[in-house]
Amino acid sequence: EVQLVESGGGLVKPGGSLRLSCAASGLTFSDAWMSWVRQAPGKGLEWVGHVKSKADGGTTGYAAPVKGRFTISRDDSKRMLYLQMDSLRTEDTAVYYCTTDRADYGRWYYYYMDVWGKGTSVTVSS
Amino acid sequence: QSVLTQPPSVSAAPRQKVTISCSGGSSNIENYSVSWYRQLPGTAPKVLIYDNDKRPSGIPDRFSGSKSGASATLDITGLQTGDEADYYCGSWDDSLRAVVFGGGTKLTVL
Repeated sequence: EVQLVESGGGLVKPGGSLRLSCAASGLTFSDAWMSWVRQAPGKGLEWVGHVKSKADGGTTGYAAPVKGRFTISRDDSKRMLYLQMDSLRTEDTAVYYCTTDRADYGRWYYYYMDVWGKGTSVTVSS
Repeated sequence: QSVLTQPPSVSAAPRQKVTISCSGGSSNIENYSVSWYRQLPGTAPKVLIYDNDKRPSGIPDRFSGSKSGASATLDITGLQTGDEADYYCGSWDDSLRAVVFGGGTKLTVL
């Protein structure tokens, strides 16, 4: 069974930094594409960004609101995914979920979040 | 404002059927597949449907999805009180180069 466990959330002041971690088990982590998805209090889901497997280039992609401030990285030897968050704003307050992703071509290209962690809470406030 | 549009809420009686809609455009749903997620209160989302109409193992056939043009629908039959949750659609968006979600639909089983 695939399990994802996020950690590193907490309270941080605007302009500060925080690094989230996600420990993965039950899968061949090095083959996995991974994403971070967040959910502000009482709001819907928002994709933060992803990292592809190294075999697929290891490239990252980010949503516009976080581009240039957040960095996603992975350590396949430790089966860990990271989200480095800099220049944090109050609007970054959310529960952050780590996910494994599936992407492929059927009749159309599909991309979806397969397994989700339980999330870690980040509060940006002075 | 979400890229994909869902109704904020739907409701139906137990054992009845409900349909949740999701509309987008040419940069997402019209040319890419749709996935559906359910989020029970206080828990993480879980995928119900991927590639428009496919169910992951363990998802009952009460849940079905379809796509037509730039819109998609999730049908839930034989409603149970345990189906009360928020439901989200998602797709890849080629213009944004990002995964996009609908704003979510709260299902109430009366």
